[in-house]
Amino acid sequence: SQTIHQWPATLVQPVGSPLSLECTVEGTSNPNLYWYRQAAGRGLQLLFYSVGIGQISSEVPQNLSASRPQDRQFILSSKKLLLSDSGFYLCAWRPMGPRYGYTFGSGTRLTVV
Amino acid sequence: LAKTTQPISMDSYEGQEVNITCSHNNIATNDYITWYQQFPSQGPRFIIQGYKTKVTNEVASLFIPADRKSSTLSLPRVSLSDTAVYYCLVGGYSGNTPLVFGKGTRLSVIA
Repeated sequence: SQTIHQWPATLVQPVGSPLSLECTVEGTSNPNLYWYRQAAGRGLQLLFYSVGIGQISSEVPQNLSASRPQDRQFILSSKKLLLSDSGFYLCAWRPMGPRYGYTFGSGTRLTVV
Repeated sequence: LAKTTQPISMDSYEGQEVNITCSHNNIATNDYITWYQQFPSQGPRFIIQGYKTKVTNEVASLFIPADRKSSTLSLPRVSLSDTAVYYCLVGGYSGNTPLVFGKGTRLSVIA
């Protein structure tokens, strides 16, 4: 069966520090991968998505970046965090083609102080 | 991408049936309708998906009229544990275009 792993679960980082969040999927190949962010009391904002290795589409201009170095690995990064980067970050995947939708990871709660 | 409109919040008592309606007037021919449930500090969880008419699973039912411009998620006999945010999404799954989540409907179940 397919599983998605996301870590760390919580993170407290000072302003100006770098960020690296990792997401991996098991039990499938060539998944579509997504990074979403949810600010407190808000809906989910799509940040990046990838349909293959090295292919990244950005939905929102910001100081975040994403990379997909391997088929089932998706990384969210920042060189210098801002206070506004605080939020709940979610990784998701879905199979190629018509299927039953997204599966989300457990999320990372990022607090920038 | 088809835009969706759903109530911001709803309240219900335990044991009642809850119906959450979502409007999607500009739904495209190849769009599916999918509902997700999100608890605090967790990722959304897939509930049900449909294209037309009625779909039922062990968790919910999804009613879609012939014109597909709206859909209704039906939760039978809700319990306190059904308190969550429910998202209605519309999108075509034949391509790679990602789904856009709206603000969802916050359902509060009261004892």
